[in-house]
Amino acid sequence: GQQLNQSPQSMFIQEGEDVSMNCTSSSIFNTWLWYKQDPGEGPVLLIALYKAGELTSNGRLTAQFGITRKDSFLNISASIPSDVGIYFCAGHLLSGNTGKLIFGQGTTLQVKP
Amino acid sequence: DGGITQSPKYLFRKEGQNVTLSCEQNLNHDAMYWYRQDPGQGLRLIYYSQIVNDFQKGDIAEGYSVSREKKESFPLTVTSAQKNPTAFYLCASSTSGAYNEQFFGPGTRLTVL
Repeated sequence: GQQLNQSPQSMFIQEGEDVSMNCTSSSIFNTWLWYKQDPGEGPVLLIALYKAGELTSNGRLTAQFGITRKDSFLNISASIPSDVGIYFCAGHLLSGNTGKLIFGQGTTLQVKP
Repeated sequence: DGGITQSPKYLFRKEGQNVTLSCEQNLNHDAMYWYRQDPGQGLRLIYYSQIVNDFQKGDIAEGYSVSREKKESFPLTVTSAQKNPTAFYLCASSTSGAYNEQFFGPGTRLTVL
């Protein structure tokens, strides 16, 4: 099936540092969603993006829908220990979409206090 | 409290047995989804249903079956034909439409002994 390339695969940072992760594809997407998953739990929706160029914030999180519609990034500012988890990007393809979400492989974030 | 519930949280079965995972939602969502997650990997779509009494195969439907007799319920049966059933299973739901946000349940961890 379709794939999103999410990077980096993992990050180990110091508390207080900023974090950036991104997703890219060769296909055009109509939406971009960012989720966070805590160990042993289901993913929780953080930010949803619906327009090319859109920049949206949710507290210390900021995400953008790329102008080309083929990429998106998520930034976390001033990281804290509870930011630990796996972050997934996901999107709906522009063409041939049937409501299915395409997921990235995830970025595992570890924060050292 | 509106949300998605999955039960049980942990499930053990003997090789060769069928097992059914429960997923219930009270969000009044039309669409429901089942995903499988393996360690270090993203989410893979097993089955999805956009309306009662209708469902479609996802990317890895072999060895699984579903039913959608009620709007709020979408049970998944892992059959003995599934070669490697040990995994974390996630249920999600969304409103109808091609570009809607999916919300996830807490997941069920299935272990085959």
